[in-house]
Amino acid sequence: EADIYQTPRYLVIGTGKKITLECSQTMGHDKMYWYQQDPGMELHLIHYSYGVNSTEKGDLSSESTVSRIRTEHFPLTLESARPSHTSQYLCASSERGGGPDTQYFGPGTRLTVL
Amino acid sequence: AQTVTQSQPEMSVQEAETVTLSCTYDTSENNYYLFWYKQPPSRQMILVIRQEAYKQQNATENRFSVNFQKAAKSFSLKISDSQLGDTAMYFCAFIRPNSGNTPLVFGKGTRLSVIA
Repeated sequence: EADIYQTPRYLVIGTGKKITLECSQTMGHDKMYWYQQDPGMELHLIHYSYGVNSTEKGDLSSESTVSRIRTEHFPLTLESARPSHTSQYLCASSERGGGPDTQYFGPGTRLTVL
Repeated sequence: AQTVTQSQPEMSVQEAETVTLSCTYDTSENNYYLFWYKQPPSRQMILVIRQEAYKQQNATENRFSVNFQKAAKSFSLKISDSQLGDTAMYFCAFIRPNSGNTPLVFGKGTRLSVIA
């Protein structure tokens, strides 16, 4: 398995709480991504970063925010969680360059907002 | 924009049999990469196999092989001698090399069940 970690693995919180989902990788990858996986298992890209101090929004509109202050760390924050945020969140990373850009995925965080 | 289509939401196969998962994609590019990823129940997504569009030869990885038809824009995955551990969601994905800020494009996935 790849060296990419997500914490917590499971989180149940109440509406209105601020939460941060952590993602770290030890592979020195420049590129990192956050996906939201719906109950049908479809993947939706919500944020990505191509290096320190670079962040972009993905295809799916999201009320979350991200930061990339260090290469290895890409946390995702929800300022005020709502039941519609209940989902599986996957973090991934890949190397910068002209190669095949294989993405390595973390184990995911399953978030439930009551 | 590139799109990836997996037309089989669910499939099942008997253990030890062979199964083929379909994937088609739409692009005007000539050079690109294609991937199959596997996500077992409650486990991490992992890469199964990848194909570079400029290579004529179909990629193989042990029991997994692809049938890459560039003109038809088709990229199917064949799993031979299916095992219970192959039960998973399978995602087909596409990317252009040197694509700048364009990330990987995933299909919606095919849920494969291997039956004993």
